[in-house]
Amino acid sequence: DQQVKQNSPSLSVQEGRISILNCDYTNSMFDYFLWYKKYPAEGPTFLISISSIKDKNEDGRFTVFLNKSAKHLSLHIVPSQPGDSAVYFCAARNQAGTALIFGKGTTLSVSS
Amino acid sequence: GAVVSQHPSWVICKSGTSVKIECRSLDFQATTMFWYRQFPKQSLMLMATSNEGSKATYEQGVEKDKFLINHASLTLSTLTVTSAHPEDSSFYICSASPVGLAGAHEQFFGPGTRLTVL
Repeated sequence: DQQVKQNSPSLSVQEGRISILNCDYTNSMFDYFLWYKKYPAEGPTFLISISSIKDKNEDGRFTVFLNKSAKHLSLHIVPSQPGDSAVYFCAARNQAGTALIFGKGTTLSVSS
Repeated sequence: GAVVSQHPSWVICKSGTSVKIECRSLDFQATTMFWYRQFPKQSLMLMATSNEGSKATYEQGVEKDKFLINHASLTLSTLTVTSAHPEDSSFYICSASPVGLAGAHEQFFGPGTRLTVL
């Protein structure tokens, strides 16, 4: 039973436009949600996170939105750049010091 | 930022041999480290939680006698794949969270180790 779901395996966006990556979860006990970016044969790189007590967190071109009632979060990248092309993983944590639960990832392709 | 290293980055071994993978936090201490496994085009699956000075906690379905974890210090955890078989071929990634950093929730990941068992 997947607790963190990324239903879109891939997304293609033109350079300069907005990329929106979606993530749904089932466990209402999650307290932190994180987005990671990953290139093939490399470890994930932390991008941005959001606490369950907030509904928005912004860092430069990256903004994460959390809708607790819908158990849904999204990552917005604007403007998208070709260098953003990678696999993006949504992850959640249900308690401090515990492991992250990852979605299956969404492959973002940004074309110039 | 916090850096986690893994060694080796790629290992090829014969079936039946054992392989040790090291995970080090280079500029911070980590009471807990995590070991994940990723198959091609799949998500990262947690294998075990490595606790400094105590036994690791394994996820359901992960054989603790096959995947030996030792967390000898606050900066080093090792994963030993014993009697490796071709089906153990995968990408193994470790992660750690800094100790004592108030509010810390990010986990920092190592670059991963690709294991190929012939």
